[in-house]
Amino acid sequence: DAGVTQSPTHLIKTRGQQVTLRCSPKSGHDTVSWYQQALGQGPQFIFQYYEEEERQRGNFPDRFSGHQFPNYSSELNVNALLLGDSALYLCASSLPGVGEELFFGEGSRLTVL
Amino acid sequence: RKEVEQDPGPFNVPEGATVAFNCTYSNSASQSFFWYRQDCRKEPKLLMSVYSSGNEDGRFTAQLNRASQYISLLIRDSKLSDSATYLCVVNKGNNNAGNMLTFGGGTRLMVKP
Repeated sequence: DAGVTQSPTHLIKTRGQQVTLRCSPKSGHDTVSWYQQALGQGPQFIFQYYEEEERQRGNFPDRFSGHQFPNYSSELNVNALLLGDSALYLCASSLPGVGEELFFGEGSRLTVL
Repeated sequence: RKEVEQDPGPFNVPEGATVAFNCTYSNSASQSFFWYRQDCRKEPKLLMSVYSSGNEDGRFTAQLNRASQYISLLIRDSKLSDSATYLCVVNKGNNNAGNMLTFGGGTRLMVKP
C-alpha cells in the first residue's frame, strides 16, 4: 500500500519564478492538505482540498494556489517566488472526518535563490 | 501570541530518564489534539491522540486540560530512539469544514547514552 508520495523531492528556483509541487495521497484517502515548514519551525497550514475544492485556507497570500484532481492527487503552485518561500513543503492526506490522522509525504524541499 | 506554543528545547536527557513536554493553545474552540513526532529531515508522524481523560501508550502518556488550554506529553524510561522533535498539534476544524491542524514549533529531545 503506497503511502503519500510527493515530487520533486528537491528543487532550486530563482526569485520571481513559479513552481508546481505534486502529491499523490495514500490509497483510500480523499482529502489533501499542504503545509510549509521553514527550518527549525513547525509545519504551517497552507490549505486543504476535498472533492476538488479548497475547503480550508491558512494565512498565506494568493501567490499560493492549488488544485485537486478527480483521482484525489493534488498540486501546489507558488507564483512570484520570494527568498522567504524557501522551505520544506509537506503534503498530508487523510479521510475527511475531524480528528482523522494525517499521513505525510516526505516533502519537497524548495530553495529560492 | 502563537496559536500553539511549545518550549523549543533542546531537552538533553540520559537514557532511562523521564521527560515531560508542555504545550499551550490559544483557541478555546479547538476540538482535537495530537502529538506528532518528527525525526531529523523526515516527515511528521502521529505519535498519539490526546483525550480529556488522559491516555497512555506504553511509555508515553498524554494529558489535556481544556480549562487551562494545556497539553502535556510524558515519556518514561527514555530510549536513544526517542531522540526527535515532538510537535504539539491542535485541530480547530469541524465536521463541515474538515480538519485544520495547527502545529506548534516543536520541542527537540536528545537522549544520550
